[in-house]
Amino acid sequence: QVQLQESGPGLVKPSQTLSLTCTVSGGSISSGSYYWSWIRQPAGKGLEWIGHIFTSGSTNYNPSLKSRVTISVDTSKNLFSLNLSSVTAADTALYYCARVIGSWDLVDYWGQGTLVTVSS
Amino acid sequence: QSVLTQPPSVSGAPGQRVTISCTGSSSNIGAGYDVHWYQQLPGTAPKVLIYGNSNRPSGVPDRFSGSKSGTSASLAITGLQAEDEADYYCQSYDSSLSVVFGGGTKLTVL
Repeated sequence: QVQLQESGPGLVKPSQTLSLTCTVSGGSISSGSYYWSWIRQPAGKGLEWIGHIFTSGSTNYNPSLKSRVTISVDTSKNLFSLNLSSVTAADTALYYCARVIGSWDLVDYWGQGTLVTVSS
Repeated sequence: QSVLTQPPSVSGAPGQRVTISCTGSSSNIGAGYDVHWYQQLPGTAPKVLIYGNSNRPSGVPDRFSGSKSGTSASLAITGLQAEDEADYYCQSYDSSLSVVFGGGTKLTVL
C-alpha cells in the first residue's frame, strides 16, 4: 500500500518561499507509470492542481502559478518537493501531494494534506 | 475560476436520484481526455469515485455512475443515502499539459 506524507513549515511569511516535501513509502517512486503531483485546497474552496513531475525530472505546472513554482524529485530518497516563491495570503491552503496514474491522468493516492498559512 | 464548471450545490431526499454536471471545452473533455470523479468527505482527502468517464473502482457502490458526451460529463447518484453527503469534484486533463479540476459540488441529503 503506497503512502504519501507531506512535511514542511506550517507558517510562512509573505514574500518568502513555501517549501514542502512529500515522502513516498510502500513502493519506489521510480517504479510504474506514474507521475507525482502537488494539489492545494484553500479552506472551504475547491481543488487546484499546482503541478507535477515525472521521475525523469520533466515537469508541468499550472500556468497561473508557473512563474513561482518549482517541483523536484529525489529518487534516491523516494521523495519529491515543492517550492512556491513570493507567497501571499492567497497561497494559504491545505497542500496535498499525490500519485497520478500516467495512462489515466488519475490521482489514485493522496497524502493527508498539510496546512500552510501565509502570515507575518 | 475553475477550468471545468460544476454547479456549486445539489440536493436530494433519501432514495432520490441526483446528477452533477461537469462542463469543459474542446481543449480538455472535448479533446477526448477522460473524466474522473472524486468524493471528498469532510476533513479527508478526496477519493476516486469514477475513473475513465464511467468506471467504478472496487468498493464503490453501483449507485454511482458516470457518463461523458462532447465537452461535458455527468455523475449520477441513485438511491441517495445520508452518507453520500460530501463534496464532489470532476477532473480531466487539458491540452495545455495540465491537470484540471472542477470547482466542486456540495451534495446535501435533505
